[in-house]
Amino acid sequence: KAGVTQTPRYLIKTRGQQVTLSCSPISGHRSVSWYQQTPGQGLQFLFEYFSETQRNKGNFPGRFSGRQFSNSRSEMNVSTLELGDSALYLCASSLAGANYGYTFGSGTRLTVV
Amino acid sequence: SQQGEEDPQALSIQEGENATMNCSYKTSINNLQWYRQNSGRGLVHLILIRSNEREKHSGRLRVTLDTSKKSSSLLITASRAADTASYFCATDAGTSYDKVIFGPGTSLSVIP
Repeated sequence: KAGVTQTPRYLIKTRGQQVTLSCSPISGHRSVSWYQQTPGQGLQFLFEYFSETQRNKGNFPGRFSGRQFSNSRSEMNVSTLELGDSALYLCASSLAGANYGYTFGSGTRLTVV
Repeated sequence: SQQGEEDPQALSIQEGENATMNCSYKTSINNLQWYRQNSGRGLVHLILIRSNEREKHSGRLRVTLDTSKKSSSLLITASRAADTASYFCATDAGTSYDKVIFGPGTSLSVIP
């Protein structure tokens, strides 16, 4: 079966712009989580969506938001980009939650200049 | 706050040797998971061990869990160059669908 698909793979944006990243989970998976990975902070939990509802949220400012559609596809949005937002953004899908094990996408590499 | 932390931060071994990585965590958990990441790509799920389990095997991987010491270990036997990667432990905070927090990882280099 198809894996987790993240688009785009690479993105370069300018400070102050906004960006939307997309994630298509494995068919049948209802939980989608987002993580930010940087060399300094490691993997940081952003949020988790289950059946179109945000179920968990990490400690990120309100500039980071997300949503999940009825087909379980998810998007995350970052507004007013800062240089520090440069990172690998990883989407992980799970049948019903992280405690069932995640399947990760390959990530979106965001560079803010 | 970080729930799990791996030890050592970096490990370099010869091909064919065994590699052991440890993970310590702070609060009680439902389960603990190990993941592998190759060169900034997505993470690959290796093993999930539940809090009522003490040991689990998958191929050349062996994971142990000691809830009294709040620690886990990942053993890779007969390592190969292809095992070179970063290894992360991930823990929840005790509820059935709580967010999962990753440790900083162990960077493993297997030298051919």
